[in-house]
Amino acid sequence: QKEVEQDPGPLSVPEGAIVSLNCTYSNSAFQYFMWYRQYSRKGPELLMYTYSSGNKEDGRFTAQVDKSSKYISLFIRDSQPSDSATYLCAMRENRDDKIIFGKGTRLHILP
Amino acid sequence: NAGVTQTPKFRVLKTGQSMTLLCAQDMNHEYMYWYRQDPGMGLRLIHYSVGEGTTAKGEVPDGYNVSRLKKQNFLLGLESAAPSQTSVYFCASSRGQGEFFGPGTRLTVL
Repeated sequence: QKEVEQDPGPLSVPEGAIVSLNCTYSNSAFQYFMWYRQYSRKGPELLMYTYSSGNKEDGRFTAQVDKSSKYISLFIRDSQPSDSATYLCAMRENRDDKIIFGKGTRLHILP
Repeated sequence: NAGVTQTPKFRVLKTGQSMTLLCAQDMNHEYMYWYRQDPGMGLRLIHYSVGEGTTAKGEVPDGYNVSRLKKQNFLLGLESAAPSQTSVYFCASSRGQGEFFGPGTRLTVL
């Protein structure tokens, strides 16, 4: 079983819809969880950083962590065509550890 | 702040040639990383550094060397390039709360 699993997509949704992106993981020691957005031919950009279980909201973005299920989600409300990108989940055990990345989900927001 | 910058942006090498990729950050971050990104493989860690003068191997270190002589700079060297090293290389830096990435270097080895 891979350490971090993420559906590669592509996921296509109409503009204005709520988008749900997900990752599952196998290592119960992961405590720090991140979401990155990567536009084509650009470097990944940190979107959300969370510690342990619970929700974190930032504008139209909400990150959710369920450690009991080893499942994390990123919700995008009122999706825009500019949200079209690849979204990478990432996680680590301790603050000083290396990050383990998912392979990314390609998202298309249709105007 | 420029954030994380990478030099060069593009490079074409012939098999057996050597080159150095330069990463610079102006955020006073302790941690710096080199990744490669290939289609279907995601981001893979090559080498990383937890502070000036320190380096450590990541997931795919073979064929690469690194140096962190100054806190703000992290160099990635290819001593004898191989076609398997054709990839997009990203540098990143962190203070321990998520990593900030550079724009990438597209390297082709013929």
